[in-house]
Amino acid sequence: DTGVSQDPRHKITKRGQNVTFRCDPISEHNRLYWYRQTLGQGPEFLTYFQNEAQLEKSRLLSDRFSAERPKGSFSTLEIQRTEQGDSAMYLCASSVGDPHYNEQFFGPGTRLTVL
Amino acid sequence: AQTVTQSQPEMSVQEAETVTLSCTYDTSESNYYLFWYKQPPSRQMILVIRQEAYKQQNATENRFSVNFQKAAKSFSLKISDSQLGDTAMYFCAFMKPPSGNTPLVFGKGTRLSVIA
Repeated sequence: DTGVSQDPRHKITKRGQNVTFRCDPISEHNRLYWYRQTLGQGPEFLTYFQNEAQLEKSRLLSDRFSAERPKGSFSTLEIQRTEQGDSAMYLCASSVGDPHYNEQFFGPGTRLTVL
Repeated sequence: AQTVTQSQPEMSVQEAETVTLSCTYDTSESNYYLFWYKQPPSRQMILVIRQEAYKQQNATENRFSVNFQKAAKSFSLKISDSQLGDTAMYFCAFMKPPSGNTPLVFGKGTRLSVIA
């Protein structure tokens, strides 16, 4: 399968715990994006990478959130000291980085529930 | 900052009929990209159709077409011959220049139900 994959698909955690999500983009896609989607809303941008460089972070991304993309392949999103407000679907997407072919391909998402 | 507004939270259509989903956006950019994405229940989001703002011709993809009105900042999606598999959340999204590979700004979505 050559699509975007995310792991885990579901995560239930207690308030105050740390969680880490992984995203594997489509191979050869040099751009990778993280979005957050809460119930009844459209996805909201969190951060994105070109290869291993983090190009932009949203103001939504508090100090408790950190993202990495070592070696420009897979990416991880870590949330420290989780809060109930962090409960959401976390979506990852990738694209080839060509301005003439800019479709973003989305993964299935990781649904986080903070109790 | 760019904003995208979808004013129809829910819509329904009979199978084989035509339905139009509305989207308006706000931007000061002159060139940009607009997208419609589909998110079926419990499945991942997929691209339906894309429009480049500098192209006056409306994009079409089989049963899906758009009505792009740049001056009005309107970008509606028309689905012809609706099928049960079209049941999904539909999101309108905006992408700003310069590279054309910047983060998407999404609307809140329209839930479309196709009824047999």
